[in-house]
This record gives sequence, C-alpha cells and structure tokens, in this order.
Amino acid sequence: AQSVTQPDIHITVSEGASLELRCNYSYGATPYLFWYVQSPGQGLQLLLKYFSGDTLVQGIKGFEAEFKRSQSSFNLRKPSVHWSDAAEYFCAVGAEGGGADGLTFGKGTHLIIQP
Amino acid sequence: ETGVTQSPTHLIKTRGQQVTLRCSSQSGHNTVSWYQQALGQGPQFIFQYYREEENGRGNFPPRFSGLQFPNYSSELNVNALELDDSALYLCASSLRLAGTGTEKLFFGSGTQLSVL
Repeated sequence: AQSVTQPDIHITVSEGASLELRCNYSYGATPYLFWYVQSPGQGLQLLLKYFSGDTLVQGIKGFEAEFKRSQSSFNLRKPSVHWSDAAEYFCAVGAEGGGADGLTFGKGTHLIIQP
Repeated sequence: ETGVTQSPTHLIKTRGQQVTLRCSSQSGHNTVSWYQQALGQGPQFIFQYYREEENGRGNFPPRFSGLQFPNYSSELNVNALELDDSALYLCASSLRLAGTGTEKLFFGSGTQLSVL
C-alpha cells in the first residue's frame, strides 16, 4: 500500500528565510511524487512533480524538491520565502494522473510566515 | 484558474439525506477524479471516471457513487449522509491518452459539505 508522511504539522518561518518541508513516502513501484499547495478556500495547485531523471526538480514560484530514493524522501525547499507562500502544502504519491488508485496525500504542513 | 468548476461551493445537509455535487471538467479532459478532504487532513481518493465508466475506487462505501456524462462533466452522489461525511469535496480532471497514460490533474476549488 502506498503512503505519505509529512512529519511537520505546522512550520513557522520568517519572511526571507529559507524553507524545507519534509515528506517521506512508501510505494511499491517507481512512484510519481508531487507537491501541491492549497490556499484557504482554494483547490490544489501543483508546485512540481518527479518521476525519473534528475533528482532535483524545479517547480513554480521558486520551489524545488529533491528525491532521495535511499531515504524514501521528497523534501520541498525554497531559498527565500515570501508572505504569499503562507498556505497548506501537501506531498503526494501515485501515478501521473492519479490512475486507478488515485493519488495518496500526506496530512499536510501548514506554513506560517512571520514578518 | 484551472478551468475546473464545482457547484455548489457550500452545502448544508441533515444526517440521512442525499446530496449531489457537480463538476465541470477542463475543456478537452476525459478523466475525472473525486477526492474527500476532511478538516485538517489531506485529500482522500474516492473514485475516478474515464469515458463514463468507473476506472478505480478508493476505500469508500457504495453509498458514494458517481456519474460521468458524455461531455465529461461529472456528479458525486452520497446517500444516507453521516456526520463524518462533512468535508471539502474536490474534483480533478485530466487527459488520458492511449498508450501514454494520464496527464496531470487539475483541481477545482471544491464543495464544502456540512452534515448536521
């Protein structure tokens, strides 16, 4: 069975500081890995995805993520956060479009930005 | 904007009632998935429809059912509502291509269902 663990429920970061959100996954085959962002009252927006190739993936809004197979991790990073980055972040695993089993999401990390 | 629209945005129902949620897919998309997001949780996969047939299902009871129409719009129906059905219901559309799999998901903003 596939699963995703996001160990941090809340993270507080000062504006301009760097950010790392953790994600660990379990998946039987070679997974697609995703990071989504959700602002209040909104749906999910895809930040980036990984399937194969370079283990450092660039996404939108200045985010990047690194896939580490040996650690079953796919951590999200940003060098300098902006107040507009405050949101809920979800890591997910599954097939490209979800497939017959759908995407499996973690419980999310709530990012708070301090001025 | 993803081009995926859901209606209504908010809904209040009573335990035991039935509800229908609607989703209009992004133009050109032939696959629709539904997810349930309880408060403080990540989305959970309910089911996926491809060409009007259920293509996969998560761990949800049969009282959760769906339809996909020829124009690829979709409905999620929930019978005999329970208090735990209170959640944000997200619809996501995608394009499935023969031989190459399914492209990425585009999510709507969801329908917030409250069951009293």
